Amino acid sequence: AQKITQTQPGMFVQEKEAVTLDCTYDTSDQSYGLFWYKQPSSGEMIFLIYQGSYDEQNATEGRYSLNFQKARKSANLVISASQLGDSAMYFCAMRDADGGYSSASKIIFGSGTRLSIRP
Amino acid sequence: NAGVTQTPKFRVLKTGQSMTLLCAQDMNHEYMYWYRQDPGMGLRLIHYSVGEGTTAKGEVPDGYNVSRLKKQNFLLGLESAAPSQTSVYFCASSYAWTQDEQYFGPGTRLTVT
Repeated sequence: AQKITQTQPGMFVQEKEAVTLDCTYDTSDQSYGLFWYKQPSSGEMIFLIYQGSYDEQNATEGRYSLNFQKARKSANLVISASQLGDSAMYFCAMRDADGGYSSASKIIFGSGTRLSIRP
Repeated sequence: NAGVTQTPKFRVLKTGQSMTLLCAQDMNHEYMYWYRQDPGMGLRLIHYSVGEGTTAKGEVPDGYNVSRLKKQNFLLGLESAAPSQTSVYFCASSYAWTQDEQYFGPGTRLTVT
């Protein structure tokens, strides 16, 4: 069965430092997608970055990059030059790219990491 | 574009009561999803739809029903609410199943007493 594990329930980081949020996943599928979402205290879910299992290069979106290590089944989120506004819950998620209406695969979210940025 | 909207934002139900949560999107997305988020947990998929008139079960479908009569709307129904269904419910939509991001609504906080 598919599974997403985020082992860091909470992290404190000094403003302007880089931070890495860990995510490991388990799947027997060859084709899948990995996502990171941010959930600030206001509650909305904000898409940050996507990595496909066949993508050879790590995904990057502004200050966000995804450190994808397929053999280790890890998809860590790296935030460079952290800002106070980065304080939020961060969720790693996985979707079976071959899934669809007939598939029993599920969209799986990790339990999240609460990131707090210190000024 | 309003994006994804959810009605209502808050609701308190008594055990055994029924209600329907409405999700609407104006992005012409084919795929729509209902999730629940419990304290200290990530989102869990309840039901999803890959197009008008279609629905499918997600990870935690028991106690919920859904309907997608119009492409832009996805309804989540609780026929007989239970305290275990106290949660925050998120609706989301996406253009495709694969790499496209999901656009989330603001959430509905439901309390069942």
